[in-house]
Amino acid sequence: RKEVEQDPGPFNVPEGATVAFNCTYSNSASQSFFWYRQDCRKEPKLLMSVYSSGNEDGRFTAQLNRASQYISLLIRDSKLSDSATYLCVVNPYAGNNRKLIWGLGTSLAVNP
Amino acid sequence: SQTIHQWPATLVQPVGSPLSLECTVEGTSNPNLYWYRQAAGRGLQLLFYSVGIGQISSEVPQNLSASRPQDRQFILSSKKLLLSDSGFYLCAWRGLAGGLSYNEQFFGPGTRLTVL
Repeated sequence: RKEVEQDPGPFNVPEGATVAFNCTYSNSASQSFFWYRQDCRKEPKLLMSVYSSGNEDGRFTAQLNRASQYISLLIRDSKLSDSATYLCVVNPYAGNNRKLIWGLGTSLAVNP
Repeated sequence: SQTIHQWPATLVQPVGSPLSLECTVEGTSNPNLYWYRQAAGRGLQLLFYSVGIGQISSEVPQNLSASRPQDRQFILSSKKLLLSDSGFYLCAWRGLAGGLSYNEQFFGPGTRLTVL
């Protein structure tokens, strides 16, 4: 089992739709989780951090399910500008760990 | 606020030529610094990370090397480039920033390297 697994997609949704991505992780001791957004040919940018059960920022909601070892990202009222690749990232160790484990990303295309 | 710079933005090099990519961070001290490579259509691969001046950890055996001559400077080098070195090279930093936890990493704009 991969350390961090994501459905690569692509997810094609119309504007205004709600879309959700799941990400599973293998290390049950993982402490913190992140969603990054990467536009084509650009650097990844931090979208959300998840340290407890979840986090919400406007149209974006991240939820953590430790029992099933997955985190999800929900995007409501999708905009054309949400089209990007969404990277799931896991901090697999407690304390001051220096490395993160990166998923391969889920591609989202929001269509007019 | 913290900023991270990388240069050059784009580079085309012949096989066998040397490489030097530079990354500098502003607005923070004693950051952890990282070099990643992203090949076309693939995920991020961690190449090196550094927790301080002169301290380099290598993640993947290859013909690349890294150095950290100053607290906020991280350099990626190669003596002889291979075709397989082509990719998008990203530098990232991690540290205390505006109340955020220690775990988040923030990326520079990247260098797109093509080896011909």
